Amino acid sequence: GAVVSQHPSRVICKSGTSVKIECRSLDFQATTMFWYRQFPKQSLMLMATSNEGSKATYEQGVEKDKFLINHASLTLSTLTVTSAHPEDSSFYICSAPTGGKDTQYFGPGTRLTVL
Amino acid sequence: KQEVTQIPAALSVPEGENLVLNCSFTDSAIYNLQWFRQDPGKGLTSLLLIQSSQREQTSGRLNASLDKSSGRSTLYIAASQPGDSATYLCAVTGNQFYFGTGTSLTVIP
Repeated sequence: GAVVSQHPSRVICKSGTSVKIECRSLDFQATTMFWYRQFPKQSLMLMATSNEGSKATYEQGVEKDKFLINHASLTLSTLTVTSAHPEDSSFYICSAPTGGKDTQYFGPGTRLTVL
Repeated sequence: KQEVTQIPAALSVPEGENLVLNCSFTDSAIYNLQWFRQDPGKGLTSLLLIQSSQREQTSGRLNASLDKSSGRSTLYIAASQPGDSATYLCAVTGNQFYFGTGTSLTVIP
C-alpha cells in the first residue's frame, strides 16, 4: 500500500530555534497533503492543507507565519515551526490522500519537544 | 462545525472479553467514517472504513457499524488480546477529516 514517511521522527530543540519537518509520499504523487497536531491525550487537529505549487490553507487559529508550509514537489511537503516555544511541543502528523477523497495515508508522526 | 466524540475515554478489560467503543458525530452529512488505531508515540493505522451508504464493515475480530441518521458508530472488538491495547480514533470525512477524542484501550493479560 501507499506509504507516507516523516522525518525526523523525533526532535528536541531550544526555544527560539526553527525546526523543519518533512512529509514524503513514497510511491505516489500527492498534490495535497494535510498537517495535523496532536497534544498529549487529545485528538488530532487539522492545522493546514498543503497544496503543491500554491499557498497552504490554514485552519482558524493557526498562525501561518509561525508554521510555514512548503509543498515544493508532488512528493514532499515541509512544515517549519519558526521560533519554536515550549507550547509548540506536540506530535505532528501529516497525511496524503491517494485515489478518492476518503483514502488517506498517514505518516508515522514527528515528536517535537521544545526546551 | 462537525464535532466528533468518543466514549469512553479510557477502557480497561481482561483478555478475552468482547468490547464496544462508541463514536458520535454532530453533522450527518459525511462521506464516510473511519476507525484508526494509534500506538503510543506512533502514527495512525487505518482499521476499517465505512462509506456513508454502508451500515457496517468487518475485518477479522473487528466490526464497525454506522448509523448516519443518528450520528453514531460503534467499533466491536471480539475476544480482545493484549496486543489490542492502543488508542482508537474514529474520524468522519466531510470537507476534511474530523477526528474523535479517542478511546484508550488496555487489555490486561
